[in-house]
Amino acid sequence: QLQLQESGPGLVKSSETLSLTCTVSGGFIRSSSYYWGWLRQPPGKGLEWIGSIYYSGSTYYNPSLQSLVSISVDTSKNQFSLKLNSVTAADTAVYYCARQGLPLGEFWDWGQGSLVTVSS
Amino acid sequence: QSALTQPASMSGSPGQSITISCTGTSSDVGGYNHFSWYQQYPGKAPKLMIYDDNNRPSGVSNRFSGSKSGNTASLTISGLQAEDEADYYCSSYTTNNRVFGGGTKLTVL
Repeated sequence: QLQLQESGPGLVKSSETLSLTCTVSGGFIRSSSYYWGWLRQPPGKGLEWIGSIYYSGSTYYNPSLQSLVSISVDTSKNQFSLKLNSVTAADTAVYYCARQGLPLGEFWDWGQGSLVTVSS
Repeated sequence: QSALTQPASMSGSPGQSITISCTGTSSDVGGYNHFSWYQQYPGKAPKLMIYDDNNRPSGVSNRFSGSKSGNTASLTISGLQAEDEADYYCSSYTTNNRVFGGGTKLTVL
């Protein structure tokens, strides 16, 4: 069974870069059928798609975050990563990684989520 | 403000049927057949319940069904059970983007 696990600092200072990694187990990131995505959910609020990556490195980003976001993939480690630059308190959220159908489709499997708090 | 509009809360009694709506535009909900619904319990990750408008993933109860008419999609839960009490989110493909509704908190009375 496919499992995803987010890892990274739980506390980031304002104006710095948020970095998270998602490790995939029970399956291969080098799959022609799926993209791998990042989403977030501020406390008490709804879901927001951040961006997605294909194993080849092809990416899609949420237009509202595109200038601040970078997603990369390491197929040798079965991992993909998120970097969000110049964070503010508004970026405090639970960050999820997920397996996504093509093209920019539904999210089939999710990690448990990682709370990242931006402090001043 | 979310791109798709859902009622903030709904409630129903056990055994009843309930329908949650999600309204968008012809650029998202009405324009593509890549609409999905998610169920989320407090403190847990969302779970895919419906994909491609009206398809259920393996393992999802057939009490859950999806439909769409124009720019509005709907999730119907029949034979409401206590375990259905959760937050429900709709999501649609739009050009080079994936958008969500604000979520509906379903209470089973």
